[in-house]
Amino acid sequence: DGGITQSPKYLFRKEGQNVTLSCEQNLNHDAMYWYRQDPGQGLRLIYYSQIVNDFQKGDIAEGYSVSREKKESFPLTVTSAQKNPTAFYLCASSIGIGQAFMFSNQPQHFGDGTRLSIL
Amino acid sequence: AQKVTQAQTEISVVEKEDVTLDCVYETRDTTYYLFWYKQPPSGELVFLIRRNSFDEQNEISGRYSWNFQKSTSSFNFTITASQVVDSAVYFCALGSGTYKYIFGTGTRLKVLA
Repeated sequence: DGGITQSPKYLFRKEGQNVTLSCEQNLNHDAMYWYRQDPGQGLRLIYYSQIVNDFQKGDIAEGYSVSREKKESFPLTVTSAQKNPTAFYLCASSIGIGQAFMFSNQPQHFGDGTRLSIL
Repeated sequence: AQKVTQAQTEISVVEKEDVTLDCVYETRDTTYYLFWYKQPPSGELVFLIRRNSFDEQNEISGRYSWNFQKSTSSFNFTITASQVVDSAVYFCALGSGTYKYIFGTGTRLKVLA
């Protein structure tokens, strides 16, 4: 079945360490996104990518980095500069961002999430 | 500015009761779309419905129904005859022609047996 796979499900980070969260999709979607969810709050956009080799900062990009070398993959690195990384991270994808998506009935599809904690 | 308000932080109902989750949005865009997602305790976001601004038809899907009213900028979600499996956090979200998707803070629904 098509979908989005995030790994690992749980991740622990030591002080000063960079960690990378994996996101893979087999939906043939052009656009991919990373969101952060804190307890009792909605989702906030970290980064998004409309196409391979291109990505843009979202609302809370500081302390994070991404790459989009393949259409299927959009890994997120939480760097040591992110002082409060403990959160639930969700990856999403959609067929596009512009007009094609606007006039379709397709949603953003989400992965199962990665829960990141500090050791 | 775009904004989504889910004023109900938490709702508790007894099984078989009907419950309505409120969603009020703000946008200056003339074309936009709205979503509802369900987040069960396992954490994944499950897509429930998408409604485009140019389609004001209300929709019913089994026990779920949605009431989209542009005049009041609301997109409310009703569960009829609630069940314990409906217990989850429900998010309303707003999108437009840009990358921007604005999520509400969610409503936690607890359905008691």
